[in-house]
Amino acid sequence: QKEVEQNSGPLSVPEGAIASLNCTYSDRVSQSFFWYRQYSGKSPELIMSIYSNGDKEDGRFTAQLNKASQYVSLLIRDSQPSDSATYLCAVRRLTGGGNKLTFGTGTQLKVEL
Amino acid sequence: DAGVTQSPTHLIKTRGQQVTLRCSPKSGHDTVSWYQQALGQGPQFIFQYYEEEERQRGNFPDRFSGHQFPNYSSELNVNALLLGDSALYLCASSFGETNEKLFFGSGTQLSVL
Repeated sequence: QKEVEQNSGPLSVPEGAIASLNCTYSDRVSQSFFWYRQYSGKSPELIMSIYSNGDKEDGRFTAQLNKASQYVSLLIRDSQPSDSATYLCAVRRLTGGGNKLTFGTGTQLKVEL
Repeated sequence: DAGVTQSPTHLIKTRGQQVTLRCSPKSGHDTVSWYQQALGQGPQFIFQYYEEEERQRGNFPDRFSGHQFPNYSSELNVNALLLGDSALYLCASSFGETNEKLFFGSGTQLSVL
């Protein structure tokens, strides 16, 4: 079982719709959760972080965390073509210091006109 | 304010050769981590450097080694290159060993022929 699992997609949504991206993780000791956006050929860019159960909103983005179900999601409202990218879920295990992140394989999002 | 800079941007090597990749962290950052991202995969943690010491290491063989200099810049060395080492190598910096807000460089694309 992979530590962080994501559906590779592609996930296609029409412009203006809500895109829902999902991620599950296997290690219950995971404490911090992140969503990174990566455009093709570019480096990952942090867009959301979440640490406690519930929802966290930032502009058009909402991150949701359910530690009991070991599930993290990212909602993108009013999707735009510029949101087309690969979205990487990452988790951090709070043991032994350091800031190692474990990434999923990413979900490719395509926002269609 | 310069972000994370990596050099070179692209590199072609043959099997068995050795390679050195370089990274300068974002201004004010003192911790550098290296990640390997194979095509279609998420970044995989190689190691983290803080105070010129390797603090955490992922599941990579000893062929992968690194160094951090007093000015916080870092090098990643890979010996005895294999075809499977072909990947995008990402450097990420942060302020503090445990700070999980990582800023990524644009990466070095390594091709091993």
